Amino acid sequence: KNQVEQSPQSLIILEGKNCTLQCNYTVSPFSNLRWYKQDTGRGPVSLTIMTFSENTKSNGRYTATLDADTKQSSLHITASQLSDSASYICVVSAGGNNAGNMLTFGGGTRLMVKP
Amino acid sequence: GAVVSQHPSRVICKSGTSVKIECRSLDFQATTMFWYRQFPKQSLMLMATSNEGSKATYEQGVEKDKFLINHASLTLSTLTVTSAHPEDSSFYICSARVGVRSNQPQHFGDGTRLSIL
Repeated sequence: KNQVEQSPQSLIILEGKNCTLQCNYTVSPFSNLRWYKQDTGRGPVSLTIMTFSENTKSNGRYTATLDADTKQSSLHITASQLSDSASYICVVSAGGNNAGNMLTFGGGTRLMVKP
Repeated sequence: GAVVSQHPSRVICKSGTSVKIECRSLDFQATTMFWYRQFPKQSLMLMATSNEGSKATYEQGVEKDKFLINHASLTLSTLTVTSAHPEDSSFYICSARVGVRSNQPQHFGDGTRLSIL
Protein backbone atom coordinates (compact mmCIF):
# COMPACT_ATOMS: atom_id res chain seq x y z
CA LYS A 1 0.00 0.00 0.00
CA ASN A 2 1.33 3.41 -0.98
CA GLN A 3 1.90 5.64 2.03
CA VAL A 4 3.39 9.03 2.78
CA GLU A 5 4.24 9.94 6.35
CA GLN A 6 5.25 13.37 7.51
CA SER A 7 6.87 14.60 10.67
CA PRO A 8 6.46 16.46 12.84
CA GLN A 9 2.68 16.84 12.78
CA SER A 10 3.03 20.37 14.06
CA LEU A 11 5.84 22.77 14.72
CA ILE A 12 6.19 26.18 16.34
CA ILE A 13 9.24 28.31 15.63
CA LEU A 14 10.25 31.90 16.13
CA GLU A 15 10.40 34.30 13.24
CA GLY A 16 13.79 34.29 11.56
CA LYS A 17 14.64 30.75 12.58
CA ASN A 18 15.16 27.84 10.19
CA CYS A 19 13.27 24.57 10.25
CA THR A 20 13.19 21.24 8.45
CA LEU A 21 10.14 19.13 7.72
CA GLN A 22 10.40 15.44 6.96
CA CYS A 23 8.59 13.14 4.55
CA ASN A 24 9.00 9.36 4.26
CA TYR A 25 7.21 7.47 1.54
CA THR A 26 6.54 4.00 0.26
CA VAL A 27 5.16 4.62 -3.21
CA SER A 28 5.91 2.39 -6.11
CA PRO A 29 6.70 2.93 -8.85
CA PHE A 30 7.91 6.39 -7.91
CA SER A 31 7.41 9.21 -10.37
CA ASN A 32 7.85 12.50 -8.54
CA LEU A 33 7.53 14.18 -5.18
CA ARG A 34 6.01 17.58 -4.54
CA TRP A 35 5.87 19.81 -1.55
CA TYR A 36 2.78 21.99 -1.25
CA LYS A 37 2.02 24.89 1.04
CA GLN A 38 -1.58 25.20 2.15
CA ASP A 39 -2.67 28.34 3.93
CA THR A 40 -5.68 28.01 6.19
CA GLY A 41 -8.86 28.00 4.14
CA ARG A 42 -7.02 27.93 0.83
CA GLY A 43 -6.03 25.31 -1.69
CA PRO A 44 -2.53 23.82 -1.83
CA VAL A 45 0.12 25.66 -3.80
CA SER A 46 3.08 23.81 -5.25
CA LEU A 47 6.49 24.77 -3.87
CA THR A 48 8.83 22.23 -5.43
CA ILE A 49 8.75 19.12 -7.57
CA MET A 50 11.49 16.53 -7.80
CA THR A 51 11.85 13.49 -9.97
CA PHE A 52 13.91 10.41 -9.28
CA SER A 53 17.13 11.89 -10.59
CA GLU A 54 16.94 15.14 -8.64
CA ASN A 55 18.15 15.33 -5.07
CA THR A 56 17.62 19.00 -4.33
CA LYS A 57 15.36 21.79 -5.52
CA SER A 58 15.07 25.34 -4.27
CA ASN A 59 12.31 27.91 -4.45
CA GLY A 60 13.37 31.07 -2.67
CA ARG A 61 13.71 30.30 1.02
CA TYR A 62 12.37 26.78 0.51
CA THR A 63 14.80 23.96 -0.28
CA ALA A 64 13.61 20.42 -0.79
CA THR A 65 15.83 17.36 -0.82
CA LEU A 66 15.12 13.87 -2.04
CA ASP A 67 16.89 10.61 -1.26
CA ALA A 68 15.30 8.07 -3.57
CA ASP A 69 17.30 5.24 -2.03
CA THR A 70 15.97 5.73 1.46
CA LYS A 71 12.67 7.15 0.17
CA GLN A 72 12.95 10.27 2.23
CA SER A 73 12.46 13.93 1.48
CA SER A 74 12.86 17.06 3.51
CA LEU A 75 11.73 20.64 3.16
CA HIS A 76 14.02 23.23 4.70
CA ILE A 77 12.72 26.71 5.36
CA THR A 78 15.33 29.39 5.86
CA ALA A 79 14.86 32.61 7.82
CA SER A 80 11.20 31.92 8.51
CA GLN A 81 8.61 34.64 8.19
CA LEU A 82 5.19 34.99 9.76
CA SER A 83 3.66 34.29 6.35
CA ASP A 84 5.26 30.85 6.37
CA SER A 85 2.64 29.77 8.91
CA ALA A 86 0.70 27.11 7.02
CA SER A 87 0.37 23.39 6.47
CA TYR A 88 3.06 21.80 4.33
CA ILE A 89 2.01 18.71 2.46
CA CYS A 90 4.26 16.12 0.85
CA VAL A 91 2.65 14.48 -2.16
CA VAL A 92 4.15 11.56 -4.02
CA SER A 93 3.07 10.64 -7.52
CA ALA A 94 3.23 7.05 -8.69
CA GLY A 95 4.42 6.42 -12.20
CA GLY A 96 2.45 4.88 -14.98
CA ASN A 97 0.65 5.63 -18.16
CA ASN A 98 -2.83 5.41 -16.76
CA ALA A 99 -5.08 8.42 -16.46
CA GLY A 100 -6.10 7.87 -12.87
CA ASN A 101 -5.06 9.85 -9.84
CA MET A 102 -1.90 8.24 -8.54
CA LEU A 103 -1.13 10.83 -5.89
CA THR A 104 -0.54 9.84 -2.30
CA PHE A 105 -0.84 12.68 0.20
CA GLY A 106 1.00 12.98 3.46
CA GLY A 107 -0.87 14.14 6.52
CA GLY A 108 0.92 17.46 6.47
CA THR A 109 2.98 19.43 8.97
CA ARG A 110 1.30 22.45 10.52
CA LEU A 111 3.89 25.16 10.95
CA MET A 112 3.35 28.20 13.10
CA VAL A 113 5.85 31.03 13.01
CA LYS A 114 5.65 33.34 15.99
CA PRO A 115 7.06 36.84 16.24
CA GLY B 1 1.10 29.61 -14.37
CA ALA B 2 -1.94 27.37 -14.50
CA VAL B 3 -4.87 28.80 -12.56
CA VAL B 4 -7.82 26.89 -11.19
CA SER B 5 -10.81 28.87 -10.00
CA GLN B 6 -13.34 27.43 -7.60
CA HIS B 7 -16.69 28.99 -6.81
CA PRO B 8 -18.22 29.71 -4.39
CA SER B 9 -15.54 30.00 -1.75
CA ARG B 10 -18.01 29.57 1.07
CA VAL B 11 -21.54 28.26 1.37
CA ILE B 12 -23.80 28.18 4.39
CA CYS B 13 -27.17 26.54 3.91
CA LYS B 14 -29.91 24.59 5.57
CA SER B 15 -30.02 20.82 5.82
CA GLY B 16 -31.70 19.24 2.81
CA THR B 17 -30.43 21.84 0.34
CA SER B 18 -28.46 20.83 -2.73
CA VAL B 19 -25.27 22.77 -3.32
CA LYS B 20 -23.32 23.11 -6.55
CA ILE B 21 -19.60 23.89 -6.61
CA GLU B 22 -17.82 24.91 -9.79
CA CYS B 23 -14.22 24.27 -10.73
CA ARG B 24 -12.73 26.03 -13.73
CA SER B 25 -9.33 25.86 -15.34
CA LEU B 26 -8.78 29.43 -16.48
CA ASP B 27 -5.81 29.27 -18.80
CA PHE B 28 -5.52 25.65 -19.81
CA GLN B 29 -7.67 22.73 -20.82
CA ALA B 30 -8.10 19.99 -18.28
CA THR B 31 -9.16 16.59 -19.51
CA THR B 32 -9.19 15.39 -15.95
CA MET B 33 -10.25 17.14 -12.78
CA PHE B 34 -10.30 15.79 -9.27
CA TRP B 35 -12.49 16.49 -6.28
CA TYR B 36 -11.14 16.27 -2.76
CA ARG B 37 -12.58 16.63 0.68
CA GLN B 38 -10.62 17.88 3.64
CA PHE B 39 -11.63 17.74 7.28
CA PRO B 40 -10.01 20.04 9.86
CA LYS B 41 -6.37 19.24 10.56
CA GLN B 42 -6.40 16.40 8.06
CA SER B 43 -4.97 16.04 4.60
CA LEU B 44 -6.90 15.93 1.36
CA MET B 45 -8.96 12.85 0.60
CA LEU B 46 -9.75 12.07 -3.01
CA MET B 47 -13.47 11.73 -3.63
CA ALA B 48 -13.68 11.28 -7.36
CA THR B 49 -11.97 11.71 -10.68
CA SER B 50 -13.87 13.73 -13.23
CA ASN B 51 -13.21 13.05 -16.91
CA GLU B 52 -14.47 15.37 -19.59
CA GLY B 53 -17.28 13.79 -21.55
CA SER B 54 -17.58 10.66 -19.45
CA LYS B 55 -18.77 9.48 -16.08
CA ALA B 56 -16.79 10.28 -12.99
CA THR B 57 -14.86 7.59 -11.15
CA TYR B 58 -15.63 7.57 -7.46
CA GLU B 59 -13.40 6.41 -4.66
CA GLN B 60 -14.54 3.63 -2.40
CA GLY B 61 -17.03 4.84 0.16
CA VAL B 62 -18.09 7.94 -1.76
CA GLU B 63 -21.76 7.88 -2.75
CA LYS B 64 -22.13 8.83 -6.40
CA ASP B 65 -25.80 9.69 -5.95
CA LYS B 66 -24.88 12.01 -3.12
CA PHE B 67 -22.02 13.75 -4.84
CA LEU B 68 -22.95 14.36 -8.46
CA ILE B 69 -20.10 15.30 -10.76
CA ASN B 70 -20.44 16.78 -14.22
CA HIS B 71 -17.47 17.57 -16.46
CA ALA B 72 -19.20 19.12 -19.44
CA SER B 73 -16.22 20.88 -20.97
CA LEU B 74 -12.44 20.89 -20.86
CA THR B 75 -12.46 23.85 -18.50
CA LEU B 76 -15.37 23.17 -16.16
CA SER B 77 -16.31 20.49 -13.68
CA THR B 78 -19.09 20.77 -11.13
CA LEU B 79 -19.74 18.93 -7.89
CA THR B 80 -23.28 18.93 -6.56
CA VAL B 81 -23.84 17.84 -3.00
CA THR B 82 -27.43 16.66 -3.03
CA SER B 83 -29.71 16.95 0.00
CA ALA B 84 -26.79 18.08 2.13
CA HIS B 85 -26.71 17.26 5.82
CA PRO B 86 -24.49 18.58 8.63
CA GLU B 87 -22.09 15.66 8.23
CA ASP B 88 -21.39 16.90 4.69
CA SER B 89 -19.90 20.07 6.13
CA SER B 90 -16.31 20.14 5.01
CA PHE B 91 -13.74 21.87 2.83
CA TYR B 92 -14.06 20.74 -0.78
CA ILE B 93 -11.12 21.28 -3.13
CA CYS B 94 -10.84 20.61 -6.82
CA SER B 95 -7.75 20.20 -8.92
CA ALA B 96 -7.17 20.13 -12.64
CA ARG B 97 -4.48 18.20 -14.40
CA VAL B 98 -2.58 19.36 -17.41
CA GLY B 99 -2.41 16.36 -19.70
CA VAL B 100 -3.71 12.83 -19.31
CA ARG B 101 -0.84 11.01 -17.67
CA SER B 102 -1.12 10.34 -13.98
CA ASN B 103 2.26 11.83 -13.15
CA GLN B 104 1.57 15.22 -14.70
CA PRO B 105 1.03 18.19 -12.40
CA GLN B 106 -2.25 18.99 -10.73
CA HIS B 107 -3.21 22.55 -9.94
CA PHE B 108 -5.56 23.16 -7.06
CA GLY B 109 -8.42 25.55 -6.60
CA ASP B 110 -8.79 27.58 -3.44
CA GLY B 111 -11.47 25.35 -2.03
CA THR B 112 -15.10 25.75 -0.97
CA ARG B 113 -16.02 25.80 2.69
CA LEU B 114 -19.43 24.12 2.98
CA SER B 115 -21.35 24.53 6.22
CA ILE B 116 -24.71 22.79 6.59
CA LEU B 117 -26.89 24.01 9.43
